[in-house]
Amino acid sequence: GAVVSQHPSRVICKSGTSVKIECRSLDFQATTMFWYRQFPKQSLMLMATSNEGSKATYEQGVEKDKFLINHASLTLSTLTVTSAHPEDSSFYICSAWGLHDYNEQFFGPGTRLTVL
Amino acid sequence: SQQGEEDPQALSIQEGENATMNCSYKTSINNLQWYRQNSGRGLVHLILIRSNEREKHSGRLRVTLDTSKKSSSLLITASRAADTASYFCATDAGAAGNKLTFGGGTRVLVKP
Repeated sequence: GAVVSQHPSRVICKSGTSVKIECRSLDFQATTMFWYRQFPKQSLMLMATSNEGSKATYEQGVEKDKFLINHASLTLSTLTVTSAHPEDSSFYICSAWGLHDYNEQFFGPGTRLTVL
Repeated sequence: SQQGEEDPQALSIQEGENATMNCSYKTSINNLQWYRQNSGRGLVHLILIRSNEREKHSGRLRVTLDTSKKSSSLLITASRAADTASYFCATDAGAAGNKLTFGGGTRVLVKP
């Protein structure tokens, strides 16, 4: 099956700093990537949809200036949490969807962000 | 926002027993998918059932879909300790680039 990686898997940062998380599709071209956030013992909440070469579409209530998404190539999307605060501490998961796999998204292993 | 709810929120069973969890959703869908997530890990895709299908099997997993009731169930037969995880349903409404909407999840504990 298709593989999606995320880097880093775990990051701890100080309040006010910015953190970049990478999502890569390793063996297929991902025309669309999705970013989710998951708080402890809760479900995944979609943050934004990222299409290669265009601006991301954010879900209601997600600040686009705080969560910067870039999808510059068919295999890489990045999520930057700007001026992170403790309430941004969460598990961030990306998924990728490619033209050859209609309906199925492939999920990355997630990134645990802890803001001190 | 979440599409619907999963029931129960938590389930504790003995190894060898069956585990059943349900998912309800609100809008029309193209397909419904079930995922497993071990604590602190990513999602593992289990099974996809299309809106024109009523039942699907994969190993020890059996999924049903009732579009008239907007509900689905996941049955794990002969459970094992390794099945301990959270299970999520996710619906694909077929619009907006295959955006998935997840249910609240069921935490399953299989005791050896």
